[in-house]
Amino acid sequence: GAGVSQSPSNKVTEKGKDVELRCDPISGHTALYWYRQSLGQGLEFLIYFQGNSAPDKSGLPSDRFSAERTGGSVSTLTIQRTQQEDSAVYLCASSPGTDSYNEKLFFGSGTQLSVL
Amino acid sequence: AQSVSQHNHHVILSEAASLELGCNYSYGGTVNLFWYVQYPGQHLQLLLKYFSGDPLVKGIKGFEAEFIKSKFSFNLRKPSVQWSDTAEYFCAVNPGGYNKLIFGAGTRLAVHP
Repeated sequence: GAGVSQSPSNKVTEKGKDVELRCDPISGHTALYWYRQSLGQGLEFLIYFQGNSAPDKSGLPSDRFSAERTGGSVSTLTIQRTQQEDSAVYLCASSPGTDSYNEKLFFGSGTQLSVL
Repeated sequence: AQSVSQHNHHVILSEAASLELGCNYSYGGTVNLFWYVQYPGQHLQLLLKYFSGDPLVKGIKGFEAEFIKSKFSFNLRKPSVQWSDTAEYFCAVNPGGYNKLIFGAGTRLAVHP
């Protein structure tokens, strides 16, 4: 597609349920990022994928959070046993990956997660 | 830990007023600096970036930012704002050798006609 696509755009779930959020990056982009934006907060880094390298998971807030990237393209962020504090907008971004320190990120429109 | 501070959370201006949004970061080494903008209903997009060279960086839509190393700052400026500049602005830092952007909390700018 022309841009980074995220689904669903909105997700309402009950506390304790598991959720999966999907990100489809721009075709050919090897770098993929997940960020979380809570109300009044900045963008919190969660995880970074670059090609076939081991992902940088240093931003995942707890072991309830995990992410995978299949075939170097689509990524899924999974939150198990959701808590109310997980409510936020989850943003995915991708970049070409040739120079990760200097590249601009292309962001998706995000998934608004609400945990009741 | 590295951090980015944006001191103004909400700014309200009239059209044609001048704008300066503050951004300070805490990292002593080489950094790459960015400003991203999110217009209402749109995705985050890059406004401008600094890697090296001239510390005064020009971006899109008449925005500029100045990197002052001694102050660990990268303030965003525009001489005369327009109603269409209403958006949320995020400063971001990529510390040298790291592969993730660290974002500030954002500044919501509202420009009244």
